[in-house]
Amino acid sequence: DVKVTQSSRYLVKRTGEKVFLECVQDMDHENMFWYRQDPGLGLRLIYFSYDVKMKEKGDIPEGYSVSREKKERFSLILESASTNQTSMYLCASSLVQGSTEAFFGQGTRLTVV
Amino acid sequence: AQSVSQHNHHVILSEAASLELGCNYSYGGTVNLFWYVQYPGQHLQLLLKYFSGDPLVKGIKGFEAEFIKSKFSFNLRKPSVQWSDTAEYFCAVKGGSYIPTFGRGTSLIVHP
Repeated sequence: DVKVTQSSRYLVKRTGEKVFLECVQDMDHENMFWYRQDPGLGLRLIYFSYDVKMKEKGDIPEGYSVSREKKERFSLILESASTNQTSMYLCASSLVQGSTEAFFGQGTRLTVV
Repeated sequence: AQSVSQHNHHVILSEAASLELGCNYSYGGTVNLFWYVQYPGQHLQLLLKYFSGDPLVKGIKGFEAEFIKSKFSFNLRKPSVQWSDTAEYFCAVKGGSYIPTFGRGTSLIVHP
């Protein structure tokens, strides 16, 4: 079974803090994604990566950055957390080739106070 | 660019009722289509997927979906829902890129 593991289930951070969300997958997938899930808005893509050290902006990259130093690990960074970044963050991974689905982690619920 | 529209945002049913959740996508080329489910407190998991071939796709837990190319639709169906089907359901499309685009989701509540 594919496993996508996010380092924290719940996080509470203060406004202005730098926040790191970590994600690890164990199936040698090339693609990794960070989505943000908000009620009524569904899943919105923040950033994705198709290879080590490669990254592309998604639909809502403002206020976020990412790092992919190793194939299995994809980190989301909130440079200076703000209250409007309070949300559920979902990491996913998939293969590049072929028609395959994305596999998701359990999510990190971040609250910025 | 690809996009997905889910018509029903909240659906409330009684057990044994039939379910149909609408999903329309926008993309001019070949697509892969997915339905994901998120049970309360759990991660998103795949219900079913369409890549090619038979447009009627069967998934887990008695769900099925029909791809109608002329209508750009991929509606999810289940003939008889159970209380355990209470969850949020997301339709997703993957077109020319390898990036899935998700709809806004449908919250389904099934009363026992």
